[in-house]
Amino acid sequence: NAGVTQTPKFQVLKTGQSMTLQCAQDMNHNSMYWYRQDPGMGLRLIYYSASEGTTDKGEVPNGYNVSRLNKREFSLRLESAAPSQTSVYFCASDLTYSYNEQFFGPGTRLTVL
Amino acid sequence: DAKTTQPPSMDCAEGRAANLPCNHSTISGNEYVYWYRQIHSQGPQYIIHGLKNNETNEMASLIITEDRKSSTLILPHATLRDTAVYYCIVMVSGNTPLVFGKGTRLSVIA
Repeated sequence: NAGVTQTPKFQVLKTGQSMTLQCAQDMNHNSMYWYRQDPGMGLRLIYYSASEGTTDKGEVPNGYNVSRLNKREFSLRLESAAPSQTSVYFCASDLTYSYNEQFFGPGTRLTVL
Repeated sequence: DAKTTQPPSMDCAEGRAANLPCNHSTISGNEYVYWYRQIHSQGPQYIIHGLKNNETNEMASLIITEDRKSSTLILPHATLRDTAVYYCIVMVSGNTPLVFGKGTRLSVIA
């Protein structure tokens, strides 16, 4: 099992560019999450998908969109990147929304110039 | 408002027990205590969780006080690989997503 995988690992964007961060899990988990972590800070939830076909906003959703493509994949899109979105992005999954034992991917390090 | 209070940093000698405290004085009856850790540059890792009884697994032990207002995560024999930021999270299981604070940075020293 690969667990939770994320692509790309690193990305540099210019202000106004768009991009999609990809996340996939092979553990047959129902729930998936996107977090961001700024330097010296804890993680903050951007969006989550409690089950296939549903998505909900987290603490900091502005500037992002998500798609739960299927049970395995959950993508995060930045339509018009801003320097304030420079961060490390983590994807996570867990068995069900009530399980709360989340498995995290290795992260995507995004810099917006 | 933060639901938990943790010291920003702690040191522990290698081979000794690491005891990480967490205060959660406003915890309600149906809220669990979760612990995660994040080793440098990696994604967080689930450690353990509990409601009111003490819990133990292969990684750690969780001691929750009788009034449930505080808890301690114990790593019985800390190694250098346990150097990480440890997050204590209080939440109702299944109702809300995890909310990570700033945690405690544990440094295990040789």
